[in-house]
Amino acid sequence: AQSVTQLGSHVSVSEGALVLLRCNYSSSVPPYLFWYVQYPNQGLQLLLKYTTGATLVKGINGFEAEFKKSETSFHLTKPSAHMSDAAEYFCAVSDRGGANSKLTFGKGITLSVRP
Amino acid sequence: EAQVTQNPRYLITVTGKKLTVTCSQNMNHEYMSWYRQDPGLGLRQIYYSMNVEVTDKGDVPEGYKVSRKEKRNFPLILESPSPNQTSLYFCASSFKGGSPLHFGNGTRLTVT
Repeated sequence: AQSVTQLGSHVSVSEGALVLLRCNYSSSVPPYLFWYVQYPNQGLQLLLKYTTGATLVKGINGFEAEFKKSETSFHLTKPSAHMSDAAEYFCAVSDRGGANSKLTFGKGITLSVRP
Repeated sequence: EAQVTQNPRYLITVTGKKLTVTCSQNMNHEYMSWYRQDPGLGLRQIYYSMNVEVTDKGDVPEGYKVSRKEKRNFPLILESPSPNQTSLYFCASSFKGGSPLHFGNGTRLTVT
């Protein structure tokens, strides 16, 4: 079975500061990894994904994440936070589209950005 | 425009009154899924469908039914809603299982 751990439920940063949202996963097969963002009153939208190849993945809005197999991690970063980044962020893992494959989500982290 | 459409966006009902939340996608996706989102619990999968007439239970299927008679539609049925089903519900679709999901805008259900 696969699982995702997002430690903490809330992160607060100042505008212009580094954003770091942590994600650790567990999977019995090489995983696909995803970050989704949810703005208030909206559904989730894909921020970035790792499938194969380069372990540093760039996404929308200046976010990136690095797949580290040895640490089973896929942390999300952004060098400089903007007020518009305030949202809830979900890490997810899948088993590469195998039979009955599905995405398993973490519990989410709420990012607040202080002026 | 590629999208997943859920209706209604908001629904208030009473215990035991059957309801259906509709979901439709226009991307010819094979995979569709329903999630509920609760504070502190994240997203939990209710049911999913790998293709037409193929559905299976997710992590929290009790009290819910689904059907997939057409590729584009995947309604969620609550035969006898109870207050513990008060939640925010999302429908999602993808090219295939495990692929990135496209989400609807959610249905906020309150059962009194």
